[in-house]
Amino acid sequence: QVQLVQSGAEVKKPGASVKVSCKASGYTFTSYGISWVRQAPGQGLEWMGWISAYNGNTNYAQKLQGRVTMTTDTSTSTAYMELRSLRSDDTAVYYCARDSTTVTTFFDYWGQGTLVTVSS
Amino acid sequence: DIQMTQSPSSLSASVGDRVTITCRASQSISSYLNWYQQKPGKAPKLLIYAASSLQSGVPSRFSGSGSGTDFTLTISSLQPEDFATYYCQQSYSTPPAFGPGTKVDIK
Repeated sequence: QVQLVQSGAEVKKPGASVKVSCKASGYTFTSYGISWVRQAPGQGLEWMGWISAYNGNTNYAQKLQGRVTMTTDTSTSTAYMELRSLRSDDTAVYYCARDSTTVTTFFDYWGQGTLVTVSS
Repeated sequence: DIQMTQSPSSLSASVGDRVTITCRASQSISSYLNWYQQKPGKAPKLLIYAASSLQSGVPSRFSGSGSGTDFTLTISSLQPEDFATYYCQQSYSTPPAFGPGTKVDIK
């Protein structure tokens, strides 16, 4: 069965960086992409960006350009999302979700979420 | 960027009720509209993709309709496990924006 398992909760200080992992299993990793979606406490869903696990192409949300990097390791079927220069409003649950390998479409499987808390 | 709105923002309903949630896009998105259900503390779950296609394993009481700018999610007979927040999402263009959500709770 398809599973996306994310790394554990993180607490970071403002200005620091965080790197969240998402290990996929149960499907051919390079036949899909991964999107990252975050949800601030009590708020809605915000798409952060997408990476193709086939060729590494990326597409980031404009508001995060320059602060976010998404990568994959096809040898371990793992996707990573790094967010730099953290601010308090980056406090959120971060989800990875399976997506298309060519363009972002819909998200049929999701990770369990990783809480990132940014606090001094 | 395409903006998504949903109405109502919340509703109270009883088990067995028929529930309808509306989603509107700021421009035509053809049928590139998806619906998700999210329960507290859990990841979203895909219910409907391409406006009206039921995701595998999702009960048939859920249905979607619409095209262009106006879309509807209908729950034909609300069950206790359906109390949750529902989000629409457009996949016509990047960024794939979500609606603000509709919370369905118990009357």
